[in-house]
Amino acid sequence: LAKTTQPISMDSYEGQEVNITCSHNNIATNDYITWYQQFPSQGPRFIIQGYKTKVTNEVASLFIPADRKSSTLSLPRVSLSDTAVYYCLVGDIGNQGGKLIFGQGTELSVKP
Amino acid sequence: SQTIHQWPATLVQPVGSPLSLECTVEGTSNPNLYWYRQAAGRGLQLLFYSVGIGQISSEVPQNLSASRPQDRQFILSSKKLLLSDSGFYLCAWSSGQANNSPLHFGNGTRLTVT
Repeated sequence: LAKTTQPISMDSYEGQEVNITCSHNNIATNDYITWYQQFPSQGPRFIIQGYKTKVTNEVASLFIPADRKSSTLSLPRVSLSDTAVYYCLVGDIGNQGGKLIFGQGTELSVKP
Repeated sequence: SQTIHQWPATLVQPVGSPLSLECTVEGTSNPNLYWYRQAAGRGLQLLFYSVGIGQISSEVPQNLSASRPQDRQFILSSKKLLLSDSGFYLCAWSSGQANNSPLHFGNGTRLTVT
């Protein structure tokens, strides 16, 4: 199982771009990388997912280098409402379920 | 569209009492189902997952158990709660038919064991 490592916390200001990097050195060939956002007392919410290179959607971008041993979630122009915990999840979710182990996450604090 | 329901939202139970948390998914068939626990602070601990009716894989044996009596129903149980069982319990599902289906979480149950 791929173990993930993220910074425990990050601070930013409104309007800035925030990049959160996740290390997953033992990622397996079939593993995908998925990022989630969690607000207090709520379940995590899916943000973005990728396998390699770059993926972009309406809220974020995900950059994955060729060796796939890390990934970076990029949040453009953050606002106060982006204050949350962000989790990187690496796993073979195409394998009809199975162990999906979360890391400790990154607590992002956006200040005015 | 698919939805996931968890109840109750909050629960206060004395030590030694039984527990039953229920989770149901609508709008999909044969989902993969998961129970996670989040203690104070952070970290999502995987407790159980299931790829089909009656198929349960346990990651944390302890005093908790899970059952899947129907395709879209997942139940977390305990015969005797411990103080250490307090936490935020989250149910999640992913598609059993599609590759790369992300997890979709319910709103959680906040359990306090007193």
